Amino acid sequence: EVQLVESGGGLVQPGGSLRLSCAASGFIFSAYWMTWVRQAPGKGLEWVANIKHDGLEEYYVDSVKGRFTISRDNAKNSVYLQMSSLRAEDTAVYFCVRHLNTIFDYWGQGALVTVSS
Amino acid sequence: QSALTQPPSASGSPGQSVTISCTGTSSDVGGYNYVSWYQQHPGKAPKLMIYEVTKRPSGVPDRFSGSKSGNTASLTVSGLQAEDEADYYCCSFGGNNNYVFGTGTQVTVL
Repeated sequence: EVQLVESGGGLVQPGGSLRLSCAASGFIFSAYWMTWVRQAPGKGLEWVANIKHDGLEEYYVDSVKGRFTISRDNAKNSVYLQMSSLRAEDTAVYFCVRHLNTIFDYWGQGALVTVSS
Repeated sequence: QSALTQPPSASGSPGQSVTISCTGTSSDVGGYNYVSWYQQHPGKAPKLMIYEVTKRPSGVPDRFSGSKSGNTASLTVSGLQAEDEADYYCCSFGGNNNYVFGTGTQVTVL
């Protein structure tokens, strides 16, 4: 059974940093791209970033470029999202998602990140 | 990378059909046959319902179908059931490994 479990969410002050982790199981992690999608409270879904199966390519939505970094450790079956210079508008539930071709086929339950003073 | 446009809400009685539109541009919806649809119940993670415009993952009822014409994709739910009440989001590949989601549609079963 495919499982994706996010951790590392919490309350952070504007300008601060936070690192999200996602532990994957139930599939060959190193064969899949991985993605982070976020959802602000009461709002829609927004694609944030994705990373190639070998970690050699990364892509980001314009609003997080230069502030967020996606990475992965295939030996640990984990993907990460390092977030810095956080803003109030980054407040959201962040979902870890398995990415097959152009399809987001399995989603974690999400981690809440709140940016507030 | 502007969000794709969906109607905020749609509704139908049990057994009826509802169709949700998803309008983008020639750089996303119109440029690729890579539109997917996701169902999200309150407080839950989204679930893949349709991929590559028309394909259904195993386990998704055939009441759900997808189509596309030009820059607009559509999701149709036939034979509405109470459990279909949820938010629905379209998503399109936008080139250069970028993706864009729709604004979301809340479906109500009357």
